[in-house]
Amino acid sequence: QKEVEQNSGPLSVPEGAIASLNCTYSDRGSQSFFWYRQYSGKSPELIMFIYSNGDKEDGRFTAQLNKASQYVSLLIRDSQPSDSATYLCAVNYGGSQGNLIFGKGTKLSVKP
Amino acid sequence: DTEVTQTPKHLVMGMTNKKSLKCEQHMGHRAMYWYKQKAKKPPELMFVYSYEKLSINESVPSRFSPECPNSSLLNLHLHALQPEDSALYLCASSQDLGRGIVYEQYFGPGTRLTVT
Repeated sequence: QKEVEQNSGPLSVPEGAIASLNCTYSDRGSQSFFWYRQYSGKSPELIMFIYSNGDKEDGRFTAQLNKASQYVSLLIRDSQPSDSATYLCAVNYGGSQGNLIFGKGTKLSVKP
Repeated sequence: DTEVTQTPKHLVMGMTNKKSLKCEQHMGHRAMYWYKQKAKKPPELMFVYSYEKLSINESVPSRFSPECPNSSLLNLHLHALQPEDSALYLCASSQDLGRGIVYEQYFGPGTRLTVT
């Protein structure tokens, strides 16, 4: 069964801290991993994508992928109150074309 | 520019109505998607078009009918919907479907649909 697991939270961090969001997936054939941010009542916004093992950095965001452990994470450095949102992890499944499976999302709250 | 537009933003329709949702992108993307998202749930894939041909239909009821008139436009025709179909309908696009890897998908703002 195709599963993408995330801790639903809420994850609460103080302003300026590092927020760490985690995601595990069940299919070893998965090759594409995405993080979306979704504010309440809005559509998902692409934050990061990663295809290869290791780290990928973009500004305050770092995506980390470990295919052996079937684990992908998103680190947000210097967290701001404006980062408060639900973060969705999405994974494609081996052999699928375009079909992303989304986790249920982790709600992040950054306290001033 | 990574913009996908959707109209209307909000739609209220009765169970006997026929309406259409529209989606447009000008990024030259060749894959377009319809998702349905209920409150506090992740998006669920409904349809995928690749090069204007229907590629994936995730067992969606026939009261939802997709159409891709050209590479920039995607429609979702609605007929005889049920109240449980009320949700946020999201359109997305990507470069194409990819082989092995999946290209990143960009979402439009969505249409908030209420069926009365």
